[in-house]
Amino acid sequence: NAGVTQTPKFQVLKTGQSMTLQCAQDMNHNSMYWYRQDPGMGLRLIYYSASEGTTDKGEVPNGYNVSRLNKREFSLRLESAAPSQTSVYFCASSSLTGVSEAFFGQGTRLTVV
Amino acid sequence: RKEVEQDPGPFNVPEGATVAFNCTYSNSASQSFFWYRQDCRKEPKLLMSVYSSGNEDGRFTAQLNRASQYISLLIRDSKLSDSATYLCVVNGANDYKLSFGAGTTVTVRA
Repeated sequence: NAGVTQTPKFQVLKTGQSMTLQCAQDMNHNSMYWYRQDPGMGLRLIYYSASEGTTDKGEVPNGYNVSRLNKREFSLRLESAAPSQTSVYFCASSSLTGVSEAFFGQGTRLTVV
Repeated sequence: RKEVEQDPGPFNVPEGATVAFNCTYSNSASQSFFWYRQDCRKEPKLLMSVYSSGNEDGRFTAQLNRASQYISLLIRDSKLSDSATYLCVVNGANDYKLSFGAGTTVTVRA
C-alpha cells in the first residue's frame, strides 16, 4: 500500500539550477496537489490538478511549473531555483477536489544555496 | 485575514489531562472540515473529518460551529503519543482547494 510516493526525499540545489520533483499515487484519485510548508506558515498550495489533463495555480505558483503526466503522476518543476524556494514540499492526492480528505507523500526537503 | 487561523500553542499538558483548542475559518460557504495530525518533519495525516453534528473517534472529539465559524478538537486522557502538531483544514474560498491552518502544537508530558 504505497499511497503517495514522492522523490527525492532530500535535495540541495544551487541558485539558478533546475529540478523536477516527482509524485505518483496508486489510489486512483482524480485530484493531485503540490504544497510547500514553511515554518509558522502552514501548508500553501502551489498548483493543483483537479483531474487528468488539467492543472491550475494555487496560492503561490510563481517560480514553479507542473505537469499532470497521467492519472497517477504529477510533477513539480523549478526552472531556476532561488533561496526563497527552500522549503519542504508535499504532494497530495484526493478523490474529489477540495471535498474529500487529502493523502500526503512523505515530503521533499529542498535547500537552495 | 487568513482563511484558517489557529492558536499556535504550544499546549503543554500532563498525561491523562484533557486539552482542547479551536480553529476559525473565514469562508462561511465552506463545507468540508478536517483535523490532521503532523509529527515533526513528517507528512500530515488525517486524524478525523468534522461533521455538522460533531463526532467522536475514541479519545478525540471534533465540533463544528457554523454560526461562529470555528471548529474545535478535544483530546481526552492525553497520551505521550498525542504530542504533535494538529492542523485545521477547511475547503476554502473556491471548492478546488483545501486551506490549512498553521497548526497547534500539543506536548504531553509524563
